[in-house]
Amino acid sequence: DQQVKQNSPSLSVQEGRISILNCDYTNSMFDYFLWYKKYPAEGPTFLISISSIKDKNEDGRFTVFLNKSAKHLSLHIVPSQPGDSAVYFCAARTLSYNTDKLIFGTGTRLQVFP
Amino acid sequence: KAGVTQTPRYLIKTRGQQVTLSCSPISGHRSVSWYQQTPGQGLQFLFEYFSETQRNKGNFPGRFSGRQFSNSRSEMNVSTLELGDSALYLCASSSGQGAMNTEAFFGQGTRLTVV
Repeated sequence: DQQVKQNSPSLSVQEGRISILNCDYTNSMFDYFLWYKKYPAEGPTFLISISSIKDKNEDGRFTVFLNKSAKHLSLHIVPSQPGDSAVYFCAARTLSYNTDKLIFGTGTRLQVFP
Repeated sequence: KAGVTQTPRYLIKTRGQQVTLSCSPISGHRSVSWYQQTPGQGLQFLFEYFSETQRNKGNFPGRFSGRQFSNSRSEMNVSTLELGDSALYLCASSSGQGAMNTEAFFGQGTRLTVV
């Protein structure tokens, strides 16, 4: 049972334009969401997170939006740059003192072309 | 401060053998989680160790096991290797307190190939 879903395996965007990566989740117990970026042969690196008490969090070119009623979140990258080309993973967790476990989506490969 | 270190980076093993992977977390972090990444499957949670105790386990067979030492370093063991165990194994280090704004940091992973 895939609790976190990224339905678009790939996305191609022109440099300077907006990239929008989507993520859906099914478990209503999730209350913290994260985006990680992964280059080949490297481990994932943390990008941005959002708590379920917010609907938007912004950090430079990256903004994450959360729609709790739809159980949907999205990552916006503006403007997109060639260096943003990587695989992006959405992850979710339940804030608890008993776990740091993350549930990941299957990833979306973003390609930013000139 | 030093990041998460995983060794070895690459391994080739034969079916039926066993393998041990190692992870050194960021200094001060007490939680180590292990994930398996295969094409099309994303990152699948294997288990989490905190203060030398396994406190979470994913849906993997008993051939996958782990442990954590008093210095928070962790090892993962896979016995009786199968071809399907070929994957990138990632270790994540975190504070272990489950709070916000304490994201997990990943190592570069160990690429295991079973032939």
